[in-house]
Amino acid sequence: GQQLNQSPQSMFIQEGEDVSMNCTSSSIFNTWLWYKQDPGEGPVLLIALYKAGELTSNGRLTAQFGITRKDSFLNISASIPSDVGIYFCAGQLMNRDDKIIFGKGTRLHILP
Amino acid sequence: ETGVTQSPTHLIKTRGQQVTLRCSSQSGHNTVSWYQQALGQGPQFIFQYYREEENGRGNFPPRFSGLQFPNYSSELNVNALELDDSALYLCAKGQNQETQYFGPGTRLLVL
Repeated sequence: GQQLNQSPQSMFIQEGEDVSMNCTSSSIFNTWLWYKQDPGEGPVLLIALYKAGELTSNGRLTAQFGITRKDSFLNISASIPSDVGIYFCAGQLMNRDDKIIFGKGTRLHILP
Repeated sequence: ETGVTQSPTHLIKTRGQQVTLRCSSQSGHNTVSWYQQALGQGPQFIFQYYREEENGRGNFPPRFSGLQFPNYSSELNVNALELDDSALYLCAKGQNQETQYFGPGTRLLVL
């Protein structure tokens, strides 16, 4: 079945640093989504991308929909302690049946 | 705050039992999807309901079944529970099959 490869699996950074994570797929996606999940909570949608090449920002977060439709990245600038959590990329297929396929997540740790 | 609520928040069952999980939202989202999230993994799609009809299913056996009601609340039923069914179960609601917003989940432990 379709799989998303998300990297890195985990990151340890200092507060104030920028963060970059990405997602690749063997399949073409019609939509790319980035979610953040805090412990004990459901995933919260951060950014949705609907068009190849699209670059979208949400505060300190910026995400891009790759031109090939098979990849996406998420950048976080000037990280703060509340950025700690697990970030998931997710995609919806070109021949959509509306299910969302998730990556395995990037766990972000911020060192004191 | 997505306005999507799930109940119960936590549940413990034993192998072979049956469980019903519930999902509702404040507004009339007509699409609901259910996902299973095992520890350390991303959510896996179970199925979706749109206007009370199943509208897509992931790689889960028939003992996973669902319902969507006229008020768009939904249930996930799992029969003959297995140890591997222990997970966080998430529902996601949306409008007209578009991008979905997740509830906080129900954590199920099967002993």
